[in-house]
Amino acid sequence: QQPVQSPQAVILREGEDAVINCSSSKALYSVHWYRQKHGEAPVFLMILLKGGEQKGHEKISASFNEKKQQSSLYLTASQLSYSGTYFCGTPSYTGTASKLTFGTGTRLQVTL
Amino acid sequence: SAVISQKPSRDICQRGTSLTIQCQVDSQVTMMFWYRQQPGQSLTLIATANQGSEATYESGFVIDKFPISRPNLTFSTLTVSNMSPEDSSIYLCSVEEESLAQFFGPGTRLTVL
Repeated sequence: QQPVQSPQAVILREGEDAVINCSSSKALYSVHWYRQKHGEAPVFLMILLKGGEQKGHEKISASFNEKKQQSSLYLTASQLSYSGTYFCGTPSYTGTASKLTFGTGTRLQVTL
Repeated sequence: SAVISQKPSRDICQRGTSLTIQCQVDSQVTMMFWYRQQPGQSLTLIATANQGSEATYESGFVIDKFPISRPNLTFSTLTVSNMSPEDSSIYLCSVEEESLAQFFGPGTRLTVL
């Protein structure tokens, strides 16, 4: 089951804030976040490994609510370079193998 | 983080032919993954490739259509066989590092006519 992200798309002016949500119908044990710029490969942003964890990376941070099976990505004082599509990823493990299921994606455009 | 290269970067192929995509990593990794990404869509996992064992395919993907090789800890190939226009997509390989983060190759953009 693919995690559902909201909103699907958002347009911001430079300096504005945004929140991207990721919801799973299955139990979550950790959450990944990636950003993909147009025509490029996804780039790892951060991983949250336990419920209640919050992490920051420059002006991009995230939280993980294990009980609600949700994670949120916070972008503050957005910059033009933040434009791209953001994906959450939820891992699952089978034996010795792990795999990521990527969310539906959120397209973010930052304008002047 | 690992540096990953893919060949070819793009190709245009005729229906019914096959294309083999190569993925090279600059360090030894246990887990390698192959994804498909259709235009404007999310990433869909095709299979997981561990060195020394058969690849594990996701629902909807079969070995006859997407054979994978993993001859060593730095290299893997994905073949897209008997192609149709529906196979037009971007194919990405990725590796999992000890941190559990995944790092992606630049992708192969495939167009099937």
